Amino acid sequence: GAVVSQHPSRVICKSGTSVKIECRSLDFQATTMFWYRQFPKQSLMLMATSNEGSKATYEQGVEKDKFLINHASLTLSTLTVTSAHPEDSSFYICSASNAPGNGELFFGEGSRLTVL
Amino acid sequence: GIQVEQSPPDLILQEGANSTLRCNFSDSVNNLQWFHQNPWGQLINLFYIPSGTKQNGRLSATTVATERYSLLYISSSQTTDSGVYFCAVNAGGTSYGKLTFGQGTILTVHP
Repeated sequence: GAVVSQHPSRVICKSGTSVKIECRSLDFQATTMFWYRQFPKQSLMLMATSNEGSKATYEQGVEKDKFLINHASLTLSTLTVTSAHPEDSSFYICSASNAPGNGELFFGEGSRLTVL
Repeated sequence: GIQVEQSPPDLILQEGANSTLRCNFSDSVNNLQWFHQNPWGQLINLFYIPSGTKQNGRLSATTVATERYSLLYISSSQTTDSGVYFCAVNAGGTSYGKLTFGQGTILTVHP
């Protein structure tokens, strides 16, 4: 399989601040990465697609100015939650495929954000 | 969009028991994956199985794409099998990275 890693695993911040989460592909290059969100006791939903060297594409209902995505290299995508509010508290998890034609996705460990 | 339904929502077993988890989906799919989410939240890949049957140790899975369902079998369950099991599909005509997840089956295995 492929290894995807996230950092930090947990973050607590005050309302109004911004938080950056990193997603790295450790043993392969990923021109595309995917950011998902999971609310407590719920399932995962795709938020956005991160494209290396170009703008991210966002799913309907996801605010692009709230969730800034940067994919500056073939192994790193970052998600910045700007001006965080308590309702942004969630589990954010990224994924990528080491064989896009194959389609199997591998997920990072996830990052649990708590906004006070 | 595509609908994914998993059953049962909750399952409680004694160690050593066998179980079958089901995933029904409402449309054709390019991809189907089964995951185990551990207590720390990490998603562990179990199977990539858009069709056919696969086995990995005590786990096996079967997808019948024409009938739009997949089954995950767990044999001789262990306490470490506890957690949430998700089925996720990639619907035809969508980006390969867009998985639609079911609501999950919460499995608890007692010693």
